[in-house]
Amino acid sequence: AQSVTQPDIHITVSEGASLELRCNYSYGATPYLFWYVQSPGQGLQLLLKYFSGDTLVQGIKGFEAEFKRSQSSFNLRKPSVHWSDAAEYFCAVVPSDNTGKLIFGQGTTLQVKP
Amino acid sequence: NAGVMQNPRHLVRRRGQEARLRCSPMKGHSHVYWYRQLPEEGLKFMVYLQKENIIDESGMPKERFSAEFPKEGPSILRIQQVVRGDSAAYFCASSLQGDLDEQYFGPGTRLTVT
Repeated sequence: AQSVTQPDIHITVSEGASLELRCNYSYGATPYLFWYVQSPGQGLQLLLKYFSGDTLVQGIKGFEAEFKRSQSSFNLRKPSVHWSDAAEYFCAVVPSDNTGKLIFGQGTTLQVKP
Repeated sequence: NAGVMQNPRHLVRRRGQEARLRCSPMKGHSHVYWYRQLPEEGLKFMVYLQKENIIDESGMPKERFSAEFPKEGPSILRIQQVVRGDSAAYFCASSLQGDLDEQYFGPGTRLTVT
């Protein structure tokens, strides 16, 4: 079945530490890949996206993500986390045969310790 | 340029009442998506509309739910005879051209059914 999986429901890191949030997808063809962030009580904001080309993509707020076709993964990384990064992060795909609707993973809640 | 606006932000309805959720897309955007976020879950696609047309309603429950995006005015998501299971956050997103064009999310409407 087609799906997007974020294995970690909740992650806690110390401020200044590095961060990696995992995302795996299961689709026949490589979909279009996105990461969104949702702050409490807010809508979603696009961090970055991958359609094709360079498999390492840079986004806003110092985030980057790497597409690995062999692992069907699109993990989000940040070298040094700030307290303001505490939020919920969603990986999403638009399947390559689709109208543009986003299929979301379950989300990962990031907590940042001072 | 104002972002995507949704109102009301919070809506309380008793079981059996009707809920109307409004979404005003960003200026110039003619594509609207509705998503639902149940507690502790990711967002689930509901419906994709273009002005006066429903393009994809594969995520809409078969009964009680309807959506429209008239030529003039906001997009409306209507839920008739609400039940407790309808309690959720409802987000709309708009894009300029649909397909893979970036979707900009509103702050959501949090519906509580008592």
